[in-house]
Amino acid sequence: ETGVTQTPRHLVMGMTNKKSLKCEQHLGHNAMYWYKQSAKKPLELMFVYSLEERVENNSVPSRFSPECPNSSHLFLHLHTLQPEDSALYLCASSHEGGAAMGEQYFGPGTRLTVT
Amino acid sequence: RKEVEQDPGPFNVPEGATVAFNCTYSNSASQSFFWYRQDCRKEPKLLMSVYSSGNEDGRFTAQLNRASQYISLLIRDSKLSDSATYLCVVNRGDKIIFGKGTRLHILP
Repeated sequence: ETGVTQTPRHLVMGMTNKKSLKCEQHLGHNAMYWYKQSAKKPLELMFVYSLEERVENNSVPSRFSPECPNSSHLFLHLHTLQPEDSALYLCASSHEGGAAMGEQYFGPGTRLTVT
Repeated sequence: RKEVEQDPGPFNVPEGATVAFNCTYSNSASQSFFWYRQDCRKEPKLLMSVYSSGNEDGRFTAQLNRASQYISLLIRDSKLSDSATYLCVVNRGDKIIFGKGTRLHILP
């Protein structure tokens, strides 16, 4: 399936590195999301973009910086991460507003390891 | 009380059996409800929406009980391929809340 793609699929980075995660959706949606999934924890919503505007930031540390240049692309810029940031980072998209927000389509995720 | 609660399981169920999961939610203003499925080391995938009148898709039946604030998922004639984690999702209107998921193992 190529509805929502994410690159890279795996990333190992040191604590002083800067890297970016990329997400692209081909579904014509206008809302995009970043989630973090750690072992044995529920999905944690990090950021929501609706119509290219950030509408939610769930107290995410500033070392994570999202960017949404258009409705099809979403980036997560990473800088000076900590080992506890190692997790699966999932991007999702949906139509914006109302019940449609619950029908999200996820990318395969980027498995991030911070050393 | 957590906004969305699920029994983490695991539920170990023989192939062919019927299994049911419940999910409770705390915000009575929640608007819509969904079940997702997540296979090991894969992304979550939408399984079905949960309508007020209940809905069925093949072997899967989802029901909503607004008075008691829970949703349920029933799987009939379970298959080995049904082994996964099932996530309950609640749309509160202003945000989406994912449950921690219930792990299901179908045993041959």
